[in-house]
Amino acid sequence: KQEVTQIPAALSVPEGENLVLNCSFTDSAIYNLQWFRQDPGKGLTSLLLIQSSQREQTSGRLNASLDKSSGRSTLYIAASQPGDSATYLCASPISSGSARQLTFGSGTQLTVLP
Amino acid sequence: DTAVSQTPKYLVTQMGNDKSIKCEQNLGHDTMYWYKQDSKKFLKIMFSYNNKELIINETVPNRFSPKSPDKAHLNLHINSLELGDSAVYFCASSQDRGLNTIYFGEGSWLTVV
Repeated sequence: KQEVTQIPAALSVPEGENLVLNCSFTDSAIYNLQWFRQDPGKGLTSLLLIQSSQREQTSGRLNASLDKSSGRSTLYIAASQPGDSATYLCASPISSGSARQLTFGSGTQLTVLP
Repeated sequence: DTAVSQTPKYLVTQMGNDKSIKCEQNLGHDTMYWYKQDSKKFLKIMFSYNNKELIINETVPNRFSPKSPDKAHLNLHINSLELGDSAVYFCASSQDRGLNTIYFGEGSWLTVV
């Protein structure tokens, strides 16, 4: 059974700092690893998806890495801005019968202070 | 254009009532999901349909019944609502039964009083 853990649960940084969010998973036989952003009162927005064959993915100021052997993924945010404040969740699909369902971490709540 | 839309966004209802939440996606995806986010913000799968066929059915009370009239719609019916059903319910869709990016709706906030 896949378990996904995110530490820390909350993080507060001053504007402009680079930061890293961590995600750990127990089963290294993953299809992919996805990072999402959730704003208060909103749904989840997909940020990056790293396939199991990839080591990292980049989108703008975001860079996600994947190390299956250690069961870890990181989300690097460069030059953080107050608009980056949100809860960030990582998730990995696991097989469930003929389909795959996402197993989510509990999220890291990020606050970027102006 | 909203990719995954669900209605209503907010729903306050009394215990024992029956309610429905509707979901539609215009992405042409084959697979749709219902997730529940509890008060601790933990997200958990409830159901998944692929081309109108139920493919994931987690341990959910049978008071919850999904219905998929076509592959673009997945509605959630809840009978005899209980206080513990209060949560945020998210609809989502993806291609390839979850191998690709999953797109979420904005959520439906259900409060049972």
